[in-house]
Amino acid sequence: QVQLQESGPGLVKPSETLSLTCTVSGGSMSSYFWTWIRQPPGKGLEWIGYAYYGGSTNYNPSLKSRVTISVDTSQNQFHLKLNSVTAADSAVYYCARDSGGGRDSRNNYFDPWGQGTLVTVSS
Amino acid sequence: QSVLTQPPSVSGAPGQRVTVSCTGTSSNIGAGFDVHWYQHLPGTAPKLLIYGNINRPSGVPDRFSGSKSGTSASLAITGLQAEDEADYYCQSYDSSLRGRVFGGGTKLTVL
Repeated sequence: QVQLQESGPGLVKPSETLSLTCTVSGGSMSSYFWTWIRQPPGKGLEWIGYAYYGGSTNYNPSLKSRVTISVDTSQNQFHLKLNSVTAADSAVYYCARDSGGGRDSRNNYFDPWGQGTLVTVSS
Repeated sequence: QSVLTQPPSVSGAPGQRVTVSCTGTSSNIGAGFDVHWYQHLPGTAPKLLIYGNINRPSGVPDRFSGSKSGTSASLAITGLQAEDEADYYCQSYDSSLRGRVFGGGTKLTVL
């Protein structure tokens, strides 16, 4: 079965770039969307954006100017870059496979998810 | 402020039935987009509970069920068990934002 695992620095300085990697094991990345989601402390889940295995992307409008998501199928990985971070970007970051909507990918859901990685933005 | 509105908390005694509502608008649930539900226990990965409004993934007990009508959806849990105590999130697509959206989450307490 497909498993996902996030990795990356747990501490990032304000104004710098947050970079995370999600490694996919047990299955192919082809024909799927790959998503990043985050949960700030004490708050709910927030969709950050996705990248399709072919390279197209879609981002949350509130983060669009600072986010880049990319897929590297040769390494079975996808990546998140969030620049100009502030304390408000401190959160547990999850990666997930985004699929299942059939002909209409707008109906996709997230399954499976990674365990999540805590990123703190602080000097 | 989440695009989809959920009650912050619900509670019930063991064995009882509870429902969690998820209210949207004409640009998301009301537009016909599917609603999905996730169960999230602190410190763990969220788990898909219901997909496509009413479908349960294999391994999810039939105590969990989903429904959708108009601009709202609901998650029902019957025969409440202590292990059901968790946060529950609904998720859909919003055509105005052109992206996936979540509800604010509902904390279920088993009394």
